[in-house]
Amino acid sequence: DQQVKQNSPSLSVQEGRISILNCDYTNSMFDYFLWYKKYPAEGPTFLISISSIKDKNEDGRFTVFLNKSAKHLSLHIVPSQPGDSAVYFCAASTQGGSEKLVFGKGTKLTVNP
Amino acid sequence: SAVISQKPSRDICQRGTSLTIQCQVDSQVTMMFWYRQQPGQSLTLIATANQGSEATYESGFVIDKFPISRPNLTFSTLTVSNMSPEDSSIYLCSVGSAGEQYFGPGTRLTVT
Repeated sequence: DQQVKQNSPSLSVQEGRISILNCDYTNSMFDYFLWYKKYPAEGPTFLISISSIKDKNEDGRFTVFLNKSAKHLSLHIVPSQPGDSAVYFCAASTQGGSEKLVFGKGTKLTVNP
Repeated sequence: SAVISQKPSRDICQRGTSLTIQCQVDSQVTMMFWYRQQPGQSLTLIATANQGSEATYESGFVIDKFPISRPNLTFSTLTVSNMSPEDSSIYLCSVGSAGEQYFGPGTRLTVT
């Protein structure tokens, strides 16, 4: 039973355009969501998070949107850069982020120059 | 943030043997986590290791298969015992709260 789903295993965009990575979840108890970026041979790096009391959180080129009614969140990267090419993992937690993280399978983003 | 190192970075092992993975953090932390990422799968939490107490294992993971040590606040080991090809994975340690965890580079294990 996969509680966090990233249905697109890969995404390819042109440099300068917007990248949109999607994530769906099934557990209504999740109230804290995170995005991690992972380069090959490195561990995941925390990117951005959002609490369920918000519907948007922005940090520079990265914005996460949360739609609680649809149990859906998305990560927008604008503008996309070749250095953004990596695998992006969505993760969710309960208790405001104090409980364990449940990860999706990841989406491999390729930004073409 | 924390700087985390893992040893070995990769290994190829024969089935039936055991491998111990080390995780070192550059600062004292209360909680350390061990994850597994099987090929094409998500990161799955194996166990949470607190210093001075027994590790807490997630459903589907047992201490006999994945014994964990946590001798101090900067170090932990995970042993993968009696390995089979299904144990071929990337094993990662992490620190921090669940709200913001920092990960080591991972240990890529291949069991033949």
